[in-house]
Amino acid sequence: NAGVMQNPRHLVRRRGQEARLRCSPMKGHSHVYWYRQLPEEGLKFMVYLQKENIIDESGMPKERFSAEFPKEGPSILRIQQVVRGDSAAYFCASSRPGVDGYTFGSGTRLTVV
Amino acid sequence: DAKTTQPTSMDCAEGRAANLPCNHSTISGNEYVYWYRQIHSQGPQYIIHGLKNNETNEMASLIITEDRKSSTLILPHATLRDTAVYYCIVRVSSNTGKLIFGQGTTLQVKP
Repeated sequence: NAGVMQNPRHLVRRRGQEARLRCSPMKGHSHVYWYRQLPEEGLKFMVYLQKENIIDESGMPKERFSAEFPKEGPSILRIQQVVRGDSAAYFCASSRPGVDGYTFGSGTRLTVV
Repeated sequence: DAKTTQPTSMDCAEGRAANLPCNHSTISGNEYVYWYRQIHSQGPQYIIHGLKNNETNEMASLIITEDRKSSTLILPHATLRDTAVYYCIVRVSSNTGKLIFGQGTTLQVKP
């Protein structure tokens, strides 16, 4: 029973490039959440999605960031025109109604050079 | 969701019980107490949750005061691998919706 799978584990991008982070939720989980953790800081909620719907994007920066969770395939967090301040660990979690606890992936470490 | 207050850091000797407190004096009647932890560089891990009764699982015990304004997470025999940041989160019981993480308590288990 695989957990939440995130890839890549590490991603290096030059300033101005695009970053695509993928998250496959646990089997049977239909709710996905993205969090960002800047170096030496806490976890900050970004966005909550269900299949084909964005439920809560109150933590998403207004520009350059977008997320999707298509009917088929993983959830994608997309960062356009990356800047050095985007360097962080990005964690994905999934959950399912009626089942206790959220399951987090191991994260993607994005480094912008 | 109710606000929680936790000590910034704590130490514990290996093999001893680690008792991590959390204050949530504004908790509502329908809100649960959840605990997660984040071991360095890893994703957060669910530990336990409860409403008003004490709870125990294979990882930890959760003791909630009768007035529900505070709780304690107990790791009965702490190991070095329990060194982590521990987060106390109060929210309505729902397995959907965002989790809001505070600063948590950094627990250092020492040999």
